[in-house]
Amino acid sequence: TQLLEQSPQFLSIQEGENLTVYCNSSSVFSSLQWYRQEPGEGPVLLVTVVTGGEVKKLKRLTFQFGDARKDSSLHITAAQPGDTGLYLCADYNYGQNFVFGPGTRLSVLP
Amino acid sequence: DTGVSQDPRHKITKRGQNVTFRCDPISEHNRLYWYRQTLGQGPEFLTYFQNEAQLEKSRLLSDRFSAERPKGSFSTLEIQRTEQGDSAMYLCASSPRNGAAYNEQFFGPGTRLTVL
Repeated sequence: TQLLEQSPQFLSIQEGENLTVYCNSSSVFSSLQWYRQEPGEGPVLLVTVVTGGEVKKLKRLTFQFGDARKDSSLHITAAQPGDTGLYLCADYNYGQNFVFGPGTRLSVLP
Repeated sequence: DTGVSQDPRHKITKRGQNVTFRCDPISEHNRLYWYRQTLGQGPEFLTYFQNEAQLEKSRLLSDRFSAERPKGSFSTLEIQRTEQGDSAMYLCASSPRNGAAYNEQFFGPGTRLTVL
C-alpha cells in the first residue's frame, strides 16, 4: 500500500515570505498531483506532473518532481493571505483510485 | 454552475440514526469517487464508480456504509446506525472518461457530518 508523507505538517508565515513544502512517497508515483483545499470546501487541483525531474510553474507557485519520481516539492514565492489553505499531494493509480497525503496546513498572516 | 454538487452541505444527527448524502457529478464525467476526510487529514478513499458499476471499495467502507449510482448519474452514500466516529467531511469527486483531464478529479464542496 502506497503511503504519502508531507512536511511540514503546519506552517505559519508572514505575507511576502517564501516557503517550500514537501511530499514523499513510499513507492514511485504514477501521476503526482497537488491540490489546495480551503476550509469547508473540497480540494482544487493545482497541477499534475508525470515526468521525473519535471518543473512546472503556476504564477508564484513552482512544482518540482524528483528524478526518481518518489518525491516532490511546492515552492511559493512572496506568499499572500490568499495562499492560506491545506496543500495536499496525491497519486493517481491508473485505473484504480487516488491516494492522498495528510497535507500541509499553511497560514499566511497579513 | 457545472461543477460537482453535494447535498446537504451539513448534517447533524444522533448516534444510531441513518443518513444519506447525494452527489451530482459533472454531467459528462463517467467516474465518481467518494472520500472521507477527518480534521487535519487528507481525503481517504471510500469507493469508486465507473458509470453505474461500483468497481472498488475501501476496507474503510464497513457494512454500515453503502453507495449507489443508479443509471450512472448521481450517487448516494448511506450510513446506517451512525457512530460518533463517522463524524467527518464526506467528499465526492468526478473524472471524465478520457481527454486531457482523464487523471484529474473535480471535487464537490463536501458534506460535513456531525454525529452527536
